[in-house]
This record gives sequence, structure tokens and C-alpha cells, in this order.
Amino acid sequence: KAGVTQTPRYLIKTRGQQVTLSCSPISGHRSVSWYQQTPGQGLQFLFEYFSETQRNKGNFPGRFSGRQFSNSRSEMNVSTLELGDSALYLCASSLGGPAGEQYFGPGTRLTVT
Amino acid sequence: EDKVVQSPLSLVVHEGDTVTLNCSYEVTNFRSLLWYKQEKKAPTFLFMLTSSGIEKKSGRLSSILDKKELFSILNITATQTGDSAIYLCARRNFGNEKLTFGTGTRLTIIP
Repeated sequence: KAGVTQTPRYLIKTRGQQVTLSCSPISGHRSVSWYQQTPGQGLQFLFEYFSETQRNKGNFPGRFSGRQFSNSRSEMNVSTLELGDSALYLCASSLGGPAGEQYFGPGTRLTVT
Repeated sequence: EDKVVQSPLSLVVHEGDTVTLNCSYEVTNFRSLLWYKQEKKAPTFLFMLTSSGIEKKSGRLSSILDKKELFSILNITATQTGDSAIYLCARRNFGNEKLTFGTGTRLTIIP
């Protein structure tokens, strides 16, 4: 069974630009969660999608948005990039039920210059 | 509210030693606790613990949850250099998928 895949793996952007990251969950998994990992803040929850609906949202500004498609693939968008957005962006997939374990993808390393 | 505290922050031991990593959490709306291993890439799932007192085991790794004292431990016996990593614990609440992570324990195994 293929794991969670994320594209691209690395990205360099300039302040003010926008970026879209993609995540394909494990086959059969309907929930996709996004996390930001930085050395200073650790792993922080961005949002979670299930059946194309955002179910939960973390404490990030509105520049961070996402969506999920009918095949459970998810995208995350960050507009008006800031230097502080440089981070490893991880997505995790799970079945979405009450006892679901979450499995992480390899991440997208975003650098904002 | 959802705080997760891990200790120690870092640990250096010799190959063959046994280590115990700690994770404490606050009780509000707690559903389960998860352990992950992170090397230079994404966190790898180790265990999910929901019930108190039931040990989960995988090879040299084992973990247990104490819901009365609000903590979990991760034990690694006969450590190997490949165990060097950051070990993360995370809590999950009832009603949502959000994981709240601790800062992690950086484990270094010296050959």
C-alpha cells in the first residue's frame, strides 16, 4: 500500500508570492490534516479536511487555506508569503474515524526569501 | 488546555542501554496519545494508546499510558545507533483529528 505523498518536496519562493502544496493520502483514507513544523514552534496543526469539508482549523492567519477533492487529495495554499512561513509542511492522512492513526507524508520544505 | 510536555529534551546514551522517554498531558477532552519517531524526514508512526495500563510493544520498543496520572512512557531496550532520532508524542482529543505535539525528545545513541 502506497504511503502519503506530497509534492513538491522542496520549494523556494519570494516574499509576497503565493504557493500551493499538494498531498495525496493513503488509499482509502478520507481525512487529511496539515501541519507546519519549524525549529522554534515545533509541529503545529493547520487544518483538517474530511470528505471535502474543513472539519477543524488551527490558529493560523487567513493567508493559509486549503481544500480537499472528491478523491481525498488535498491542497494547501499560502498567499502573500512572509519570511516566517519558511518551514516544513507536513500532511497526515487517516481513516477519519474516532480511533484513526495518522500517517505522515515526507513533507514539503518551503523556503521564503 | 491541550498542552503536551516531554522530558527529557535530549538524551545521550551508549548503544545497548535502555531508555525511557516521558510524555505528560492535561486531561481536558483527552482521547488518545500517539508516539512518533522523526529522523531527517517525516514523523513515523510508532504507537497509539487509548486505554490505561495496556502495554503496546513492537520489537525493542514499548509504550504504556497512565490515564490516572496523565502520562505515557516510551521504552527502548538494547538501543542501537539507528534509534537516534527525535521522539514526539501527541495527544488527540475527542471530536476531532487535530494532534497537539510536544517539543520532542532528541535521543542520541553513541556506538
